[in-house]
Amino acid sequence: GAVVSQHPSRVICKSGTSVKIECRSLDFQATTMFWYRQFPKKSLMLMATSNEGSKATYEQGVEKDKFLINHASLTLSTLTVTSAHPEDSSFYICSARDRTVGANVLTFGAGSRLTVL
Amino acid sequence: QKEVEQDPGPLSVPEGAIVSLNCTYSNSAFQYFMWYRQYSRKGPELLMYTYSSGNKEDGRFTAQVDKSSKYISLFIRDSQPSDSATYLCAMKTGGGADGLTFGKGTHLIIQP
Repeated sequence: GAVVSQHPSRVICKSGTSVKIECRSLDFQATTMFWYRQFPKKSLMLMATSNEGSKATYEQGVEKDKFLINHASLTLSTLTVTSAHPEDSSFYICSARDRTVGANVLTFGAGSRLTVL
Repeated sequence: QKEVEQDPGPLSVPEGAIVSLNCTYSNSAFQYFMWYRQYSRKGPELLMYTYSSGNKEDGRFTAQVDKSSKYISLFIRDSQPSDSATYLCAMKTGGGADGLTFGKGTHLIIQP
């Protein structure tokens, strides 16, 4: 089945630094990838939709300049948390849609836990 | 009112019991309904996917959608300790490339 790899799985950084998280579709091409954020015991909140070859579409309230998304190829999207602060600490999860399968089936990565000190 | 409501639990049942998990929603435009299972510190994995109203069965899992009541359910028969996880309902409106709206997730514990 479709596999989405997310890296790193855990990252700890100092306040003010930037962190990049990668999301790769391993055995399929994904024209669209989604980035979610999940707080403990809370639902997944959609942050942005990443479209290959074009600008990402951000949800209301998500800062574009803080959460930079790049979807440079059909198998890779990256999320960069710029000038991270402790309140950015969270579980970030990406998902991808196989362009050859039904549009409603999303495969999720294993998530990346960011801790900002 | 949130778009998707789901009781976070925890829900604890003995092994072998039938489990019923539910979500209600307010947006009548939702047409596609999914259930994901998420183990601790992992990403969600798709369990069931249904379109519009009706039932769908896959092994020990049955998904039901009642659009008139804006209510969806997931039933787990012969529950196993390995079923212990957080179950998230998710839904979307159209078939295009838009994201899902998730419930908060229900933490399920199956006691051996």
